[in-house]
Amino acid sequence: KAGVTQTPRYLIKTRGQQVTLSCSPISGHRSVSWYQQTPGQGLQFLFEYFSETQRNKGNFPGRFSGRQFSNSRSEMNVSTLELGDSALYLCASSGSGASTDTQYFGPGTRLTVL
Amino acid sequence: DAKTTQPNSMESNEEEPVHLPCNHSTISGTDYIHWYRQLPSQGPEYVIHGLTSNVNNRMASLAIAEDRKSSTLILHRATLRDAAVYYCILRLTGSSNTGKLIFGQGTTLQVKP
Repeated sequence: KAGVTQTPRYLIKTRGQQVTLSCSPISGHRSVSWYQQTPGQGLQFLFEYFSETQRNKGNFPGRFSGRQFSNSRSEMNVSTLELGDSALYLCASSGSGASTDTQYFGPGTRLTVL
Repeated sequence: DAKTTQPNSMESNEEEPVHLPCNHSTISGTDYIHWYRQLPSQGPEYVIHGLTSNVNNRMASLAIAEDRKSSTLILHRATLRDAAVYYCILRLTGSSNTGKLIFGQGTTLQVKP
């Protein structure tokens, strides 16, 4: 089975712009979670999607949004970029998102905001 | 959010066993204990998880205290490729916790040749 893929791997944007990141989960997985990793805050949960519905959300401002398509692929969008949004964005997929499920992570998208 | 406490860093010699401790005194009866690790420049990867009983897999063993307030991840023979940040995570049940891993600061494991 192919692993979780994320595109693009690297991205440079300027303040005020918006960005869309893409995640393709492992075939058959229906839950996709997104995380932000920064040196200061570590790994933080953004949100989780299952069957095209957002089921769970972390403590991030409304500038961070996402969606999931019928094939379980997911995108996350950050609008009005700020310098502090520079981070590694990771997505992870699992079968159902249950507490016994293993999450499989992609390699991440490195976003730099100038 | 359920909290775990881990040492910031540990060192080990190659080919020797490593015991990585984790305290989770606020654990509730249905919380699973998961361990993930993150190698440099990679996304986290699953290591092992358990509820009450000790667990073994090809990567590691998980020893869970009888009162479940602490656990220990055991790498039986550390290799240089095991150098990583190890995260101990409580997976809560319930609809508000689906797909959600709460990462702490983790333990940075250095393996010396």
